[in-house]
Amino acid sequence: AQRVTQPEKLLSVFKGAPVELKCNYSYSGSPELFWYVQYSRQRLQLLLRHISRESIKGFTADLNKGETSFHLKKPFAQEEDSAMYYCALSGGPGAGSYQLTFGKGTKLSVIP
Amino acid sequence: KAGVTQTPRYLIKTRGQQVTLSCSPISGHRSVSWYQQTPGQGLQFLFEYFSETQRNKGNFPGRFSGRQFSNSRSEMNVSTLELGDSALYLCASNHGLGPTITGELFFGEGSRLTVL
Repeated sequence: AQRVTQPEKLLSVFKGAPVELKCNYSYSGSPELFWYVQYSRQRLQLLLRHISRESIKGFTADLNKGETSFHLKKPFAQEEDSAMYYCALSGGPGAGSYQLTFGKGTKLSVIP
Repeated sequence: KAGVTQTPRYLIKTRGQQVTLSCSPISGHRSVSWYQQTPGQGLQFLFEYFSETQRNKGNFPGRFSGRQFSNSRSEMNVSTLELGDSALYLCASNHGLGPTITGELFFGEGSRLTVL
């Protein structure tokens, strides 16, 4: 069974400090990993996905298959980064490929 | 273009009743998926439809069902409501093409169901 674990329910950092939101997964095949974000009073939206290897709003995430991790990082936190962050996984081609398994989320609070 | 629209936004039901929730995807999107969000369990996948066919199904009892129409709009139904069904039900759309999720899932604002 596939599982996504986000060990921190709440993470508080000071503005300008580095941020790392942890995500570990278990999946027997080759998963696709995503980070979704929900800002206050907004819809859940995609932040980034591992397959595109992009940096969005200064955030990056590297898929480490050996450690089965997909941690989200940003070198300098901004107040507008305060939000709920969800790590999510989908299976490869075949059954379950359009099904996302979400972690329980980490609430990031950036202190001014 | 208009985003994913869910109706109703809020509703209150009593145990034993049934409820139908509606989702209109982004124009041109053919995949619609449903998620249940609760404080305890977080976001859990219910099912996904593509071109009127259920393509994926999560681990929910048969009381939870859905369907998709030819215009890609989708409905989900929960019968014989239980207190534990109180949740935010989120709908998401995607173009649905290709073997995997290659693009973003676009979420609606959700339908908040309270079961008394």
